Amino acid sequence: EVQLVESGGGLVQSGGSLRLSCAASGFTFSNYWMNWVRQAPGKGLEWVANIKEDGSKKYYVDSVKGRFTISRDNAKNSLYLQMNSLRAEDTAVYYCARSNRADYWGQGTLVTVSS
Amino acid sequence: DIQMTQSPSSLSTSVGDRVTITCQASEDINNYLNWYQQKPGKAPKLLIYDASNLETGVPSRFSGSGSGTDFTFTISSLQPEDIATYYCQQYNNVPYTFGQGTKLEIK
Repeated sequence: EVQLVESGGGLVQSGGSLRLSCAASGFTFSNYWMNWVRQAPGKGLEWVANIKEDGSKKYYVDSVKGRFTISRDNAKNSLYLQMNSLRAEDTAVYYCARSNRADYWGQGTLVTVSS
Repeated sequence: DIQMTQSPSSLSTSVGDRVTITCQASEDINNYLNWYQQKPGKAPKLLIYDASNLETGVPSRFSGSGSGTDFTFTISSLQPEDIATYYCQQYNNVPYTFGQGTKLEIK
């Protein structure tokens, strides 16, 4: 069974940092692009970033470029999102999702940035 | 960036109704178009991929069609468990972008 489990969310002050993790199981992690998608409270979905199977390509939405870094460790079946210089508008539930078809999603982890 | 215009933003429906949601892309997305269902407090669930392909395990009352820039999502006969918010998403070009969502409500 495919499972994605996010962790690392929490309350942080504006300008602070957090590192999110996504633990994958039930499939060959190294065979898939992986994505981060977020959803601000009461709002729609926003794609944040993705990373190629071997980590050689990474893409970001403009609003997080230079502040967020996506990475992966295929040996640990894990995806990460390092978030620096956090802003109030980064407050959201962050989901990891498998493949560019986003066929499987984690349950999400809430990041709250206080100003 | 590719803009995805989804309509309507909300829809008041009845059980058994045929429901149609449209999504228009600002440029050709080569049918790289997904439809998701999201219930409150839950992660989105993929229903349709590549514009018209039904994800495994998804009931056949859900369907998708369209090509180029114009796409349609249909529920042939609405069931109570289908009350949710639905999103389209293009994954032809980064940044991948979502429609604004369509919230279904019961009349």
